[in-house]
Amino acid sequence: AQSVAQPEDQVNVAEGNPLTVKCTYSVSGNPYLFWYVQYPNRGLQFLLKYITGDNLVKGSYGFEAEFNKSQTSFHLKKPSALVSDSALYFCAGISGAGSYQLTFGKGTKLSVIP
Amino acid sequence: GEEVAQTPKHLVRGEGQKAKLYCAPIKGHSYVFWYQQVLKNEFKFLISFQNENVFDETGMPKERFSAKCLPNSPCSLEIQATKLEDSAVYFCASDGGLGSEQYFGPGTRLTVT
Repeated sequence: AQSVAQPEDQVNVAEGNPLTVKCTYSVSGNPYLFWYVQYPNRGLQFLLKYITGDNLVKGSYGFEAEFNKSQTSFHLKKPSALVSDSALYFCAGISGAGSYQLTFGKGTKLSVIP
Repeated sequence: GEEVAQTPKHLVRGEGQKAKLYCAPIKGHSYVFWYQQVLKNEFKFLISFQNENVFDETGMPKERFSAKCLPNSPCSLEIQATKLEDSAVYFCASDGGLGSEQYFGPGTRLTVT
């Protein structure tokens, strides 16, 4: 069975500090991994994805994520947090083995404190 | 269009009534997905289409839920005889195939009273 885990319900970080939102995965085959952000009463907005190639993936708004196969992790990072980054972040995966649906983590609420 | 469109934004139904939600995927995208976001933000996959054909319906509660994607028409998700637990935000997404990211619509908030 595929699963994506986000171990933290909430992450608080001071503005200007680096931020990390954690994600681990368990999918069969080669994983396709994604990060999405959801602002209140809005749909999901795509940030970045890992399909193959470089383990460090750069995405929108200065976010990046590192794919680590040995630790089965895909943590989202940003060197310097902005108050406007405060939102709900979802990690999601596709097994790449005939299933195209996204399996989501439960989401992590990021609060950036001014 | 370049965005996934969903209508209506909000839908209120009494228990037992029918609800129908619509989705216009991005032009050129051959895959359409429906997800349900319930309390505590959890996403549940319902069904996917490849063009007008059902691709994966493993998440659909088949007794009351049905969905279609017909040529030259918006895709639709219909719930017969709604129940209180159907209250959720329903998101539609589309993409161009495996490996491409899914683009999500703004969602339809269904409230069953």
